[in-house]
Amino acid sequence: AQSVTQPDIHITVSEGASLELRCNYSYGATPYLFWYVQSPGQGLQLLLKYFSGDTLVQGIKGFEAEFKRSQSSFNLRKPSVHWSDAAEYFCATSTSGTYKYIFGTGTRLKVLA
Amino acid sequence: NAGVTQTPKFQVLKTGQSMTLQCAQDMNHNSMYWYRQDPGMGLRLIYYSASEGTTDKGEVPNGYNVSRLNKREFSLRLESAAPSQTSVYFCASSEGSEAFFGQGTRLTVV
Repeated sequence: AQSVTQPDIHITVSEGASLELRCNYSYGATPYLFWYVQSPGQGLQLLLKYFSGDTLVQGIKGFEAEFKRSQSSFNLRKPSVHWSDAAEYFCATSTSGTYKYIFGTGTRLKVLA
Repeated sequence: NAGVTQTPKFQVLKTGQSMTLQCAQDMNHNSMYWYRQDPGMGLRLIYYSASEGTTDKGEVPNGYNVSRLNKREFSLRLESAAPSQTSVYFCASSEGSEAFFGQGTRLTVV
């Protein structure tokens, strides 16, 4: 069955430091992969998505993610974190032709001033 | 441009009461979803509707019913609320494989 694993529940980084959030998926074929961000009390906002093609995808707010089939990973990165990036981040997957999204359990990011 | 609108934003119910969560989207999307979000568990799919007139169970459908009233609206009903249904509920819509989410309904069952 399809699944998504986010191994880090909490991550704390200093403002200006680089960030990498991990995501591993389980699926035989190439899945559709997403990263969403949720600010406190808000809904989810799409940061970026991967369907096919270039394995390095750029998103909003300076985020990028790299699809690595060999590692079944889709890690989210940002070179320099801003205090406003403090939020919860969800990795998700779906498959072409279906309408169901599988979410990871989320990683809560704290940014130190 | 409203996107996905959920009502109410907050609700407190007593055990055994019923209520309907409303969701409407103005993006002309075919697919709509209801998720619940619980701490440490991410978002779990309750029900979804691939198109107007169809609904299907997701991962955690027990205790819920849905109605796809028309292309815009997809409601979630709790017939007899239980404390285990205390959660934040999100409605979403999609066309293709990208979902757009509402702001959520925080439901507490006491």
